[in-house]
Amino acid sequence: SQQGEEDPQALSIQEGENATMNCSYKTSINNLQWYRQNSGRGLVHLILIRSNEREKHSGRLRVTLDTSKKSSSLLITASRAADTASYFCATLNAGGTSYGKLTFGQGTILTVHP
Amino acid sequence: EAQVTQNPRYLITVTGKKLTVTCSQNMNHEYMSWYRQDPGLGLRQIYYSMNVEVTDKGDVPEGYKVSRKEKRNFPLILESPSPNQTSLYFCASSLSGRQGLYEQYFGPGTRLTVT
Repeated sequence: SQQGEEDPQALSIQEGENATMNCSYKTSINNLQWYRQNSGRGLVHLILIRSNEREKHSGRLRVTLDTSKKSSSLLITASRAADTASYFCATLNAGGTSYGKLTFGQGTILTVHP
Repeated sequence: EAQVTQNPRYLITVTGKKLTVTCSQNMNHEYMSWYRQDPGLGLRQIYYSMNVEVTDKGDVPEGYKVSRKEKRNFPLILESPSPNQTSLYFCASSLSGRQGLYEQYFGPGTRLTVT
């Protein structure tokens, strides 16, 4: 499996419900980033969490990072139809010769029904 | 307005005809990168640049070239495009500091079709 693999691949919920997406990775990381993409458009940055952090919040978003399990989760609370999009995690390698290499997962497609 | 621009936005070309996709950022970012996005494969990094004259291969560099002669520009060159390079291409940039890279700012994308 690839670095930065998301789960589930697709998620369908009703407005007002919470949405949780998970990301797993394999190598040591410097940071992990979550992005959102609306239908073929450019990606928009949501949250960056560093390897020494365990949790970060931004509005209705909460990201956790467990470096021992090499996993992260993105929680969107009280979802809205406008949250419908694809969500990607991306990991930045910790260092060495491949520092600067950013690896994206395949994404989770979130559909929020009004 | 802080932004990453890419040109062209859409391009249809034929196999073997050299092309360049330009990318420019106005945020004085050290780091720039190219990605391609294909259905079911997510985004894959082609090349990245930590600063002027410093470039390195990503996961899928074959068939592509880059250069970073100026801080603001990072063109992607396809010397001899092939149909398997038909894809949606994104350029991105970010600050780079002692704590590593910061959030990536993405361009709007270039949809390339090679026939």
